[in-house]
Order: sequence, then C-alpha cells, then structure tokens
Amino acid sequence: AAGVIQSPRHLIKEKRETATLKCYPIPRHDTVYWYQQGPGQDPQFLISFYEKMQSDKGSIPDRFSAQQFSDYHSELNMSSLELGDSALYFCASSSGHRSKEQYFGPGTRLTVT
Amino acid sequence: GESVGLHLPTLSVQEGDNSIINCAYSNSASDYFIWYKQESGKGPQFIIDIRSNMDKRQGQRVTVLLNKTVKHLSLQIAATQPGDSAVYFCAESFTGGATNKLIFGTGTLLAVQP
Repeated sequence: AAGVIQSPRHLIKEKRETATLKCYPIPRHDTVYWYQQGPGQDPQFLISFYEKMQSDKGSIPDRFSAQQFSDYHSELNMSSLELGDSALYFCASSSGHRSKEQYFGPGTRLTVT
Repeated sequence: GESVGLHLPTLSVQEGDNSIINCAYSNSASDYFIWYKQESGKGPQFIIDIRSNMDKRQGQRVTVLLNKTVKHLSLQIAATQPGDSAVYFCAESFTGGATNKLIFGTGTLLAVQP
C-alpha cells in the first residue's frame, strides 16, 4: 500500500538559510499535518491543512510557512534557519479532517549548522 | 506534550515478559487516544487506539487501558519480543475540534533484553 512520502529525507543547511520540505500524502487523503520532533523529544504539532486550506495551527514559528497544493501535497517553508530548528519533521495524512487515523511519513531530518 | 529533553524514560524487560507502558494525558476534553511505536529514524507507527467511551481495547498482543478519572493511559504488550524495542508514544486528540491534531505525551524507550 502507498504510504506518505517525504522529501528530502535528509537536509543540511546553514544558519539563516532557507529550507523547503515536501510531503506527498497517501492517495485520496485530503488532510495533511506537520509535526516537529527535536532530539529525544515528543513530536509537536505545527500546522495542518484540509482541502488546501489551513485548518489548524500549533507551535509554528513565524519564520515558517506552509501550504497545501491542488494535488494535496504540502510544503513546509522555513526561513532564517536557526540551530534550534534542527529536528525531524514529520508529515502525516488522513482522509478527511475529522478522521481519527493519521498515517505518518518517514520524516525529514533537518540539520542546521 | 511536555518535553523531557534528551532523557527518555526507559523500560527494560526480558524477552517473553509482559510490558506495561504508562502515559498521563493533559486535556480532559480529549476523546480519542492512540499509541504509536517509533523506531530509530522512522516515523511513528500506529499500534492501537481507544475512544473515550471505552476503558479497554485489545489488539494482537497489545491492550490499551484508559482511566479518564486520573487521565491515565497504559499500553500492555504481551510476550515482549526484541522487535518491540522502540520508543512508544501516547497521543491524545479532541475529535470535536477543527482538526484531529495529535498531542503527544512523553515517549518511553522500551528495551527488550534477549
């Protein structure tokens, strides 16, 4: 079965640079969630989209923005990167914004040097 | 969820023993709870879920118990195997909100000794 695809899997950036993370949900899933997981920490909700509209917002810095496109894939744009942005970034998808089950992708490991 | 930094609670068990992993959740309005397994470098993998109108649910080798009075969740793994070694997270959600964003609890590292 097709799973959530995230790219790139690994990304190394320097401070103050920008990064774009991509998420391709499971086919026919219309809802995407982004989570950030720091080293040894639990995943923290950042933002979610349903039918290409932002549906909820968590602890996402103003330096970050995201959107969902017409094919339902989503991109997380991160600017003015800081060392503390180094983390695993997970995307999860579900079918419908009220669907309970979220399926997680393998994550993108971002390292800021 | 609250972060505990780099020091995850660890549960060490012998292969074949039963494991019990505990979790305290924060929002009394949460009505849906999930246990995830996360192996190193991978995304969280769904194990089992439970709705707030239940207090127990069983799956294959796993059982989840929910105590809403004290906002406590537990995951029981029967006959623990080396492949069960991973970090386990509980997550809560309020399905009446705009979306079902997940609030994760502190993970527990399960180490299975052969």
